[in-house]
Amino acid sequence: AQSVAQPEDQVNVAEGNPLTVKCTYSVSGNPYLFWYVQYPNRGLQFLLKYITGDNLVKGSYGFEAEFNKSQTSFHLKKPSALVSDSALYFCAVRGTSGGSYIPTFGRGTSLIVHP
Amino acid sequence: EAQVTQNPRYLITVTGKKLTVTCSQNMNHEYMSWYRQDPGLGLRQIYYSMNVEVTDKGDVPEGYKVSRKEKRNFPLILESPSPNQTSLYFCASSSPGLQDTQYFGPGTRLTVL
Repeated sequence: AQSVAQPEDQVNVAEGNPLTVKCTYSVSGNPYLFWYVQYPNRGLQFLLKYITGDNLVKGSYGFEAEFNKSQTSFHLKKPSALVSDSALYFCAVRGTSGGSYIPTFGRGTSLIVHP
Repeated sequence: EAQVTQNPRYLITVTGKKLTVTCSQNMNHEYMSWYRQDPGLGLRQIYYSMNVEVTDKGDVPEGYKVSRKEKRNFPLILESPSPNQTSLYFCASSSPGLQDTQYFGPGTRLTVL
């Protein structure tokens, strides 16, 4: 079975400061890892993904994520937060060994960026 | 425009009255899935489909049915809705060629009284 943990329900950061949203996972085989963002009253939008290759993945809106195989983590980062980054962020994973080809999502982390 | 559409966007109904939420995608994706989103529980998978006539249960399938008769459509059926199915529902589609990046519909907010 595959699973995702987002240990923080909410992350607060001041505008201009770096932000990190944490994600750890458990899968069979190598992981495909994803981050999605949900703005109020909207569906989820794809931000970035790790499939293979460089452990640092760059995505939309200046976000990046680092894949750490030994720690089974895929934390989302941004060097300088904007108020407009305030949203709900979901980490997702699916394994490449057996089982469903549909990713499993975490519970989500609410990011609040204060002016 | 490439998109996933859901209808209706909002629905208030009563316990036991059968309803269908439609989902359609115009990207020729093989995979489609349904999720429900509840506060504190995040996104939970209800059913998924790998292709036409191929469906399987997700994490919370009780009380739901799906069908995949055409590649573009994946309706979610609630035969006898109950108040605990009040939720925000999302349909999504993806393709192995896209390495499973999912495209989500706008959501359907369902209230069962």
